[in-house]
Amino acid sequence: EAGVAQSPRYKIIEKRQSVAFWCNPISGHATLYWYQQILGQGPKLLIQFQNNGVVDDSQLPKDRFSAERLKGVDSTLKIQPAKLEDSAVYLCASSYIAGVPDTQYFGPGTRLTVL
Amino acid sequence: GDSVTQMEGPVTLSEEAFLTINCTYTATGYPSLFWYVQYPGEGLQLLLKATKADDKGSNKGFEATYRKETTSFHLEKGSVQVSDSAVYFCALTPHTNAGKSTFGDGTTLTVKP
Repeated sequence: EAGVAQSPRYKIIEKRQSVAFWCNPISGHATLYWYQQILGQGPKLLIQFQNNGVVDDSQLPKDRFSAERLKGVDSTLKIQPAKLEDSAVYLCASSYIAGVPDTQYFGPGTRLTVL
Repeated sequence: GDSVTQMEGPVTLSEEAFLTINCTYTATGYPSLFWYVQYPGEGLQLLLKATKADDKGSNKGFEATYRKETTSFHLEKGSVQVSDSAVYFCALTPHTNAGKSTFGDGTTLTVKP
């Protein structure tokens, strides 16, 4: 079974530029998560999709971050414009069962550096 | 809101030593509890979980028991190996609030031969 795929693995941009990350979850998984992990901290949930609907985006800075999950499969997370404090690893995860606590399967992450 | 507090690291042990990594949580209701592990150069992966009070999760010699009275989920292993060197994250997922997960800040374990 293929795992969660993410790209790119690394990205370096200047502040005020835009960047997009892509995630392809495990086939058949209903729930998709985007996390931000700042160095030395645990993952912080940015947005959670169930199929192609948003179930939680309370910690997503909506003035600069956006995310979509078209057709309930893969997803993109965009930052526009980026700030220095956005430097972090962006993790995508998916889980099979919707609506109940379930094991999350994580991708390798995208390490973003904003200069 | 929900929170998870983990024992601060880093933790350095000799091979075959006993390991405890403390984890306490604050949550409304009774969440499911998880330990995830991140080996060097790899993504997070589930180590073990418990879904209700008094449940014990176990995997690869690691154990953790869901203690409702002390709101804790401490990770233990009787004899660590060099290959256990990793970062360990405690996490909770509530059964309400759309299952929004909260993670601790991680504890780095280094095991020396």
